[in-house]
Amino acid sequence: QKEVEQDPGPLSVPEGAIVSLNCTYSNSAFQYFMWYRQYSRKGPELLMYTYSSGNKEDGRFTAQVDKSSKYISLFIRDSQPSDSATYLCAMRNTGNQFYFGTGTSLTVIP
Amino acid sequence: DAEITQSPRHKITETGRQVTLACHQTWNHNNMFWYRQDLGHGLRLIHYSYGVHDTNKGEVSDGYSVSRSNTEDLPLTLESAASSQTSVYFCASSRTSGVQETQYFGPGTRLLVL
Repeated sequence: QKEVEQDPGPLSVPEGAIVSLNCTYSNSAFQYFMWYRQYSRKGPELLMYTYSSGNKEDGRFTAQVDKSSKYISLFIRDSQPSDSATYLCAMRNTGNQFYFGTGTSLTVIP
Repeated sequence: DAEITQSPRHKITETGRQVTLACHQTWNHNNMFWYRQDLGHGLRLIHYSYGVHDTNKGEVSDGYSVSRSNTEDLPLTLESAASSQTSVYFCASSRTSGVQETQYFGPGTRLLVL
């Protein structure tokens, strides 16, 4: 079983829709949870960072962590064509190693 | 501005050749990482370093080596390139500690082994 599971999609939504992206994980030691956005032929860039359980909001983006269910989510409100990218979840324990999901490909159609 | 760069951005080589991919960061980060990204596998850790002269094997280290002689650079060497090593390679760096610590990625190197 992989440490982190993520549905690869692809996911296609109309502009303005609410997007929900999810990851599950198996290691209960994970404390820090991240979402990266990766545009085509670019390196991943950090989008959201969350410590432990709870919600974090940044503009149109909301990251949610449910440690009891080992489940994290990223919500994108009022999605825009510029949000079209691959979204990777990532997590780590108290050490320095990161564990990444395989990424979900998102296309927002104008 | 501080940044992380990779070179070359694209490389075509033949099986059996030795190839070195460069990674350079100007954040003065102690931690550096090499990943490969393949469809269906996501990012897989090849090697990582927590400081000068420190190197560690990751999940898919066979056929790869790294050395860390200074803080800024972590070159990745493919000892004898194989077609299975055709991939996109990303270098990343992070600080040693801190709750907000996260990894910063370079732009990637696309490697084709013929």
